[in-house]
Amino acid sequence: EIVLTQSPGTLSLSPGERATLSCRASQSVSSSHLAWFQQKPGQAPRLLIYGASSRATGIPDRFSGSGSGTAFTLTISRLEPEDFAVYYCQQYGSSPRTFGQGTKVEIK
Amino acid sequence: QVQLVESGGGLVKPGGSLRLSCAASGFTFSDYYMSWIRQAPGKGLEWVSYISTSSTYTNYADSVKGRFTISRDNAKNSLYLQMNSLRAEDTAVFYCARDRMVRGGIDYWGQGTLVSVSS
Repeated sequence: EIVLTQSPGTLSLSPGERATLSCRASQSVSSSHLAWFQQKPGQAPRLLIYGASSRATGIPDRFSGSGSGTAFTLTISRLEPEDFAVYYCQQYGSSPRTFGQGTKVEIK
Repeated sequence: QVQLVESGGGLVKPGGSLRLSCAASGFTFSDYYMSWIRQAPGKGLEWVSYISTSSTYTNYADSVKGRFTISRDNAKNSLYLQMNSLRAEDTAVFYCARDRMVRGGIDYWGQGTLVSVSS
């Protein structure tokens, strides 16, 4: 099983600042089959990034993903008020599919 | 637009059973794998199971293998999760999701249905 470790656990930033979230895998993620999801309280997760760097439909270009192998990053270039949420990475290249434990981006 | 609507959640005693349903619309249901993912209260996401387009292939997390069964009815655009021998640790919001597998993974989620296992 591929274990995904996200850091930091909590990121305290102000609107307009840059957010950098990390997701590290215990083994190489095949063909960059890694996704990022955003979840707000009481809501279902929403797909942001798939294939490590491809933005999902309708996702603003301030969200970007990068990385390969065992190290992946989600960057939010300038935080908007609606971006404060919990972010999860997930690998879907091998079974069982696994999620990271999440990074909470909170308002400083 | 893609819509996924779960139902069937509720309160059940340990050892009991429950069947979740997910009604899909806005896309050709039979063209997509489908998955169930759960989230315990205040916790992270846990993948539970997926099923192939024609039900040929299924896969389960070790935590539910032998107790849960995923199925689908393409004629009814519906996904199901039969849950038996429920335990307190199965308490969670269960989400159904459209799954593109290696072509991009999960892209749409339902709003979830809460399953509570308690005596």
